[in-house]
Amino acid sequence: DAKTTQPPSMDCAEGRAANLPCNHSTISGNEYVYWYRQIHSQGPQYIIHGLKNNETNEMASLIITEDRKSSTLILPHATLRDTAVYYCIVRPRILTGGGNKLTFGTGTQLKVEL
Amino acid sequence: EPEVTQTPSHQVTQMGQEVILRCVPISNHLYFYWYRQILGQKVEFLVSFYNNEISEKSEIFDDQFSVERPDGSNFTLKIRSTKLEDSAMYFCASTEPSGRARNEQFFGPGTRLTVL
Repeated sequence: DAKTTQPPSMDCAEGRAANLPCNHSTISGNEYVYWYRQIHSQGPQYIIHGLKNNETNEMASLIITEDRKSSTLILPHATLRDTAVYYCIVRPRILTGGGNKLTFGTGTQLKVEL
Repeated sequence: EPEVTQTPSHQVTQMGQEVILRCVPISNHLYFYWYRQILGQKVEFLVSFYNNEISEKSEIFDDQFSVERPDGSNFTLKIRSTKLEDSAMYFCASTEPSGRARNEQFFGPGTRLTVL
């Protein structure tokens, strides 16, 4: 799996947009960018994923650069409940027979404050 | 909304004892996983399971570990002879059938294993 680099921590004021960067300069053409988060010792939670186009869902937006070497997860109006560790993960597009494991890094600890 | 469940939430055991951690994946899912997270460290992949057999396992998943889907609903992780370093949070996850582009893994709340 391609390696990702994320800042260890970020702060954000409640109600403001949280922009979490991820560098994945060695990503290959068949790899998606996935974002998960883990709220204090709970199980990781899927947020969003994309291949090369920008994506948006009810939780967040994902902006992937044209060269696909980096991406930004945007939480448009962060709340205190968004305080969590956010993981950027790249993984192959095509499933093997048994599915794809997730390889977690250390992620970014986002702290949302009043 | 369907969810992955795990029991027990906390298991305390003596070193050398066998433990079985239980998971009930989401009902129509076909791929199952175990991960662990030692306190303060990364979430680590242990094993994936599909069609009643292991499809991939990590170096952590040695002969002391085994997985089983005994009855079509439960998915279990057995540690035969626990060691102190097995103390961790163990997460079960499942994924819906292949071919779905999203390939999202749904995680359970975890079982905290403490080996004394």
